[in-house]
Formats: sequence, structure tokens, C-alpha cells
Amino acid sequence: DTEVTQTPKHLVMGMTNKKSLKCEQHMGHRAMYWYKQKAKKPPELMFVYSYEKLSINESVPSRFSPECPNSSLLNLHLHALQPEDSALYLCASSRTGGGNTEAFFGQGTRLTVV
Amino acid sequence: KQEVTQIPAALSVPEGENLVLNCSFTDSAIYNLQWFRQDPGKGLTSLLLIQSSQREQTSGRLNASLDKSSGRSTLYIAASQPGDSATYLCAVSHRNTGNQFYFGTGTSLTVIP
Repeated sequence: DTEVTQTPKHLVMGMTNKKSLKCEQHMGHRAMYWYKQKAKKPPELMFVYSYEKLSINESVPSRFSPECPNSSLLNLHLHALQPEDSALYLCASSRTGGGNTEAFFGQGTRLTVV
Repeated sequence: KQEVTQIPAALSVPEGENLVLNCSFTDSAIYNLQWFRQDPGKGLTSLLLIQSSQREQTSGRLNASLDKSSGRSTLYIAASQPGDSATYLCAVSHRNTGNQFYFGTGTSLTVIP
């Protein structure tokens, strides 16, 4: 099973709302990632969790709050977003370290902020 | 900082042609290089992973090569089909930040029936 599952697939939220994106994998991977992708651009790294600890935060605004409750789950909590935060949010997982860090991506959550 | 570039940005070929997509990176101290495919509005599908000690990997009609010393990788697609139409992205993980992937700018491929 090489599946990374993201929910919801689509989300429309107002600028005052609070919502969460969820990501789940059962491959035993101990590194999990959030990426943001705008149209016709490559994915941009937001956060990396390694062994359930935040290891990389790419200077993401505090209105995005990641959480890794256990080794299989990754959440992204959203609050007071701006219209420019509308994008495809991708979750990924991989083994940690070493050469065989093949990354597997979910299908993404299409977020629209109105 | 690692920079990854893909050329061409867009490519249109008739069905059945063999084609090559290029990926270049500035820092050769990589852990591995991975090729992905992305359909519009969808997630990324892993195609091939080449570890830094390897020179090439093959899967079906796909063959990826890696030349670390020159900072280049190519993805060869044989006998292209309309279903191959997608955006192809390469990504490198760096030896110093093994869990951080640097993505290329992507090549949008259209295979014309």
C-alpha cells in the first residue's frame, strides 16, 4: 500500500473560518510533509515532520498551524486565511534519511478562500 | 541553495514518438532524484527514484538517468501515448537536508493522437 489519503478533496472557507486539512498514511513512514502548490507552479515546501517532531518550517505564516498527532496522521489547521492562500495543498510521506527516501503524495486538497 | 531547472517548459509531440525530458540541478551533493507525474488539479504520482549511487532506473516505457557530476537527469519516454499527457516534475533531496525535496519547474507534455 503506497497510498497517502487527504481529506477533504475540496474546501471553500471564509476568511474568518477555522478549518483543518487531514492526511493519513500507513506505510510506516516517519517523515511527513505539507506542500502548497499554486497553478502552473511546482510545489513549495511548508512543513516537515520527522518522527512526529516539526523539523522544518519554511517561514510559513502563523495562520497555518501543523500538527502530527501520531506517526500515521498529519493535520494542517487553518485560521484567518487570505484569498491568496487559495491553492492545492499536498501532503507527502517518506522514510526518514538515507538514500531511499522515495516520497509519496496524496491527491491534494483544493482550498478556496473567499 | 539548490536550484532545479527543467527544460523544456512545454513539449508537444505526436503519438508514438520517443522523447526526453531534462532536469538540471546546481548542487551535486544529492541523496536522490525522483521523477513525478502530475495530472491537472491532482496530486503527484511517483514514477522513478534514482539514488545518488545509481546511474539509471527503468519502469516500463520510462527510463531515468542520473549524472551527478554534471548535475543532470533525463527522463526518457518510449513510444509516447496520449495518456502520457501531464506535467512531469523532478525533485532532488539534498545530502545535508535529506527530508527536504527541491522541485524543478516542470515540463508540460502533450501527446497528440
